[in-house]
Amino acid sequence: GEQVEQRPPHLSVREGDSAVITCTYTDPNSYYFFWYKQEPGASLQLLMKVFSSTEINEGQGFTVLLNKKDKRLSLNLTAAHPGDSAAYFCAVSAFAQGLTFGLGTRVSVFP
Amino acid sequence: ETAVFQTPNYHVTQVGNEVSFNCKQTLGHDTMYWYKQDSKKLLKIMFSYNNKQLIVNETVPRRFSPQSSDKAHLNLRIKSVEPEDSAVYLCASRRRGTEVFFGKGTRLTVV
Repeated sequence: GEQVEQRPPHLSVREGDSAVITCTYTDPNSYYFFWYKQEPGASLQLLMKVFSSTEINEGQGFTVLLNKKDKRLSLNLTAAHPGDSAAYFCAVSAFAQGLTFGLGTRVSVFP
Repeated sequence: ETAVFQTPNYHVTQVGNEVSFNCKQTLGHDTMYWYKQDSKKLLKIMFSYNNKQLIVNETVPRRFSPQSSDKAHLNLRIKSVEPEDSAVYLCASRRRGTEVFFGKGTRLTVV
């Protein structure tokens, strides 16, 4: 079955700097890719969804890149701010399959 | 906007007791899930329920069982709780090909 490896497990970022979280997956049939954010004490909120037809998605303060050749998905936080402190999870799914989550990355933004 | 509703938010119980958690989704999704999130934030899928088909993660102990009355409800019963069951239990739902929506979770503490 699908296996998802997420790196790094922890990330400390100075406010205003950028940071990258990377996930690699194994199933070449993977088609749906998601990033979730979980703030302390809260549930998981969808940050961005990426379908295999797109490679770059931009959101508010972050960019998601999908490299299907290398089976790699990355989340780039640009100009980190304290509100970005949270756990981030990537999730991958082939069509009509369940989601497989990465183990998460805990991001701490310090002044 | 919350569309996956879980009760209770918190539950404290003694070893050996039976507990039951409720989950309801108002999104009209066809698949519901239960995830377990431990103290290290690791997300582990426990059950997937779609069109009356139940998919069980084989690592889930038999004391756990899902219960569904219709496609909008998926409850979780733990027959005789153990200390290692202390965790946050997240209910989620999904329509095929879309992202997973999570409830706010039920935090279980076994004393």
